[in-house]
Amino acid sequence: SQQGEEDPQALSIQEGENATMNCSYKTSINNLQWYRQNSGRGLVHLILIRSNEREKHSGRLRVTLDTSKKSSSLLITASRAADTASYFCATDANTGGFKTIFGAGTRLFVKA
Amino acid sequence: SQTIHQWPATLVQPVGSPLSLECTVEGTSNPNLYWYRQAAGRGLQLLFYSVGIGQISSEVPQNLSASRPQDRQFILSSKKLLLSDSGFYLCAWSGTGGGETQYFGPGTRLLVL
Repeated sequence: SQQGEEDPQALSIQEGENATMNCSYKTSINNLQWYRQNSGRGLVHLILIRSNEREKHSGRLRVTLDTSKKSSSLLITASRAADTASYFCATDANTGGFKTIFGAGTRLFVKA
Repeated sequence: SQTIHQWPATLVQPVGSPLSLECTVEGTSNPNLYWYRQAAGRGLQLLFYSVGIGQISSEVPQNLSASRPQDRQFILSSKKLLLSDSGFYLCAWSGTGGGETQYFGPGTRLLVL
């Protein structure tokens, strides 16, 4: 079963609106990461939040982590058409190994 | 700065033919290396990872294999491709240790006909 699962699977918004994507996971973690993938390209790392952190910001991105609920959210403020992409959360599953487990992703479409 | 290369970008192969995809990393030493497969519109499936030369861990039983002949070279191979091997293959590297940020190559789109 997947460690991280994003919600919603797809999201369509107007330029200028905020986009919120959620991620739930099953086991305890050391950290959680968010990645972005443009169609047909490799993934690009956006932000990493550690299990002892609750919120982190990077530019127009805001990530929250609630370890009691085993969930995280990614907020993109004032979205732009260029933000159109798929967004994935990834967790390390806190197994002491080297596996990072990716969710199925949220496909975001920002209409100009 | 570190860079990661993958080639080819696109590959069309007949069923039963062999496969060799190569990934190389520059600007870092002793990275962890990963091969993922991504089906259309889906998430990433970890296929193999390596923490050092000659050290390969397989995550999913399949007709694929991986090798790491040099510190910054990771190769994905198959002796006989299946239709189900079609997909988008991504190589990534990270620092040592678990849960590190991963840096991805541009990917290879493989179509098996």
